[in-house]
Amino acid sequence: NAGVTQTPKFRVLKTGQSMTLLCAQDMNHEYMYWYRQDPGMGLRLIHYSVGEGTTAKGEVPDGYNVSRLKKQNFLLGLESAAPSQTSVYFCASSYSVLLQASRFQETQYFGPGTRLLVL
Amino acid sequence: GNSVTQMEGPVTLSEEAFLTINCTYTATGYPSLFWYVQYPGEGLQLLLKATKADDKGSNKGFEATYRKETTSFHLEKGSVQVSDSAVYFCALSDQRGAGNMLTFGGGTRLMVKP
Repeated sequence: NAGVTQTPKFRVLKTGQSMTLLCAQDMNHEYMYWYRQDPGMGLRLIHYSVGEGTTAKGEVPDGYNVSRLKKQNFLLGLESAAPSQTSVYFCASSYSVLLQASRFQETQYFGPGTRLLVL
Repeated sequence: GNSVTQMEGPVTLSEEAFLTINCTYTATGYPSLFWYVQYPGEGLQLLLKATKADDKGSNKGFEATYRKETTSFHLEKGSVQVSDSAVYFCALSDQRGAGNMLTFGGGTRLMVKP
């Protein structure tokens, strides 16, 4: 199994350009996530999906859109890139295990990251 | 809301030294707790986890115990190696429903010198 893969690994954009980051997982996970990582701030959730055809906003969604047309793919789009979106982007996927009534345990598996530089 | 606080780094140790990286959390409900490790140029890898109070997660010589009374999940290793040099992230996931989000601490960089 390849696990979670991300395309591309690195990209340079000019302000105002658009691009799409692709995340793919082959573990049949229901849940997928997009995070950004900035120095000293850990990872912050941008958007997530709890199933094919569904998406939801995370902590820092502004300036990004997502789509989950197929269960194994989760796309992150930047319609008009800004220098503030210079970051490392990580995709993750997970499954959920019911521990007991109304309590779930979940482990997220991460891709290798996409480094984006917006000039 | 949920939050995770980690000690700031970098932490610099000599090989075979004892390691402690502190992690405390605030959460509603009863979270699962995780330590992730990020080696240079790579994504995050799950290091260990614990799902209930007094559980001890362990992997590759690292250990952490879920302490509900002190809301802590400190990472320890008895003898570090150069290959342990990486950034370590503490995280929590509340267990109120499926598809839970992870809340991360800011990360602690560990540098181990030969």
